[in-house]
Amino acid sequence: KNQVEQSPQSLIILEGKNCTLQCNYTVSPFSNLRWYKQDTGRGPVSLTIMTFSENTKSNGRYTATLDADTKQSSLHITASQLSDSASYICVVSEGGGNKLTFGTGTQLKVEL
Amino acid sequence: GAGVSQTPSNKVTEKGKYVELRCDPISGHTALYWYRQSLGQGPEFLIYFQGTGAADDSGLPNDRFFAVRPEGSVSTLKIQRTERGDSAVYLCASSLMTTGELFFGEGSRLTVL
Repeated sequence: KNQVEQSPQSLIILEGKNCTLQCNYTVSPFSNLRWYKQDTGRGPVSLTIMTFSENTKSNGRYTATLDADTKQSSLHITASQLSDSASYICVVSEGGGNKLTFGTGTQLKVEL
Repeated sequence: GAGVSQTPSNKVTEKGKYVELRCDPISGHTALYWYRQSLGQGPEFLIYFQGTGAADDSGLPNDRFFAVRPEGSVSTLKIQRTERGDSAVYLCASSLMTTGELFFGEGSRLTVL
């Protein structure tokens, strides 16, 4: 069964600090990997999309990495802000691309 | 519209009632997805439309759930004889193509009493 596992489940950090979220997947065949940010009570918003050949992709203070050999991805957040508090969801797309498997997310809280 | 629009944003209904949830995707997006999200969980796939046709409905939990997209734009998710376990946030997303970026709506929160 295709699975996407994320760690940690939740994380609290101080404003200005960096953090790294992890994603391991078993989805096969692999098409692409996406990271989404979901604020409480809102729909997910795309941060990055990476295909098999991409190792790293940045979007402002967010940098995602992908190791397709070990089937691992990470999302690094630099100089965190209070507004970064949200759930970060790793999503892996299989085969032709329309079937997405979602992780359960990492709940990040940034405090003063 | 500028983004994916879902209505109603909140729906409270009684067990056994019929419910319709509407999704208005971004203009021109041919791919449309419905997901269900329970508290503390990631979205769970329900159904995917490419144009007017349901290309993949393997995520619909049972025959009480049905979705249509008659003109290839607006989609309606229909739930018959609602049960308390149907309570969740129903998310709709659209994309320009199947491998493209997904744009999500704000969701419809369904509560079945």
